[in-house]
Amino acid sequence: AQKITQTQPGMFVQEKEAVTLDCTYDTSDPSYGLFWYKQPSSGEMIFLIYQGSYDQQNATEGRYSLNFQKARKSANLVISASQLGDSAMYFCAMSDNFNKFYFGSGTKLNVKP
Amino acid sequence: DARVTQTPRHKVTEMGQEVTMRCQPILGHNTVFWYRQTMMQGLELLAYFRNRAPLDDSGMPKDRFSAEMPDATLATLKIQPSEPRDSAVYFCASGLPMDRGNEQFFGPGTRLTVL
Repeated sequence: AQKITQTQPGMFVQEKEAVTLDCTYDTSDPSYGLFWYKQPSSGEMIFLIYQGSYDQQNATEGRYSLNFQKARKSANLVISASQLGDSAMYFCAMSDNFNKFYFGSGTKLNVKP
Repeated sequence: DARVTQTPRHKVTEMGQEVTMRCQPILGHNTVFWYRQTMMQGLELLAYFRNRAPLDDSGMPKDRFSAEMPDATLATLKIQPSEPRDSAVYFCASGLPMDRGNEQFFGPGTRLTVL
């Protein structure tokens, strides 16, 4: 069964604007972790942000924030003030109790000047 | 600056040849993961280890793929014999459970081309 769903294969955003990348997940475990990774054209996977299932507040890391809605099982990534360097693939992922990771299919973000 | 290292970074080989990819996890990390990334399938988990023991290799074609951790500083992924459909980028990642919620640190990947 698919664990992570990213419904936006590609998105465009104007430089300096905010953008939200969608992610929904499926699990019956009470304890899990949610992650976002960035993969630029160079290919490396870069960790952006983490949210624990028991965390009360939404995670933030600089211009990145994770909009965690537990009841809806969604973990959307919000990038504020987009920059040209934000153009990349973005992957949502979830870790289960056994530390196994499940990745979504990714969203390709293009930032327009 | 602790990083996961992978060798080789690029590999071109002919169908039928053996391919060995190596990964050095971050010192102190006790979980190691192997992923394969293709345009069609995205990121697929092939296998993962905790404390050098394989926990799950259900994503790996057993007839041709094998993954091992000879010691805590080395993980290997072998393909024998290789086929053109194995062409992909293979990532190794390591982590330490309970460290920022099991965050995985990825290596730079091995880009494999099987002709």
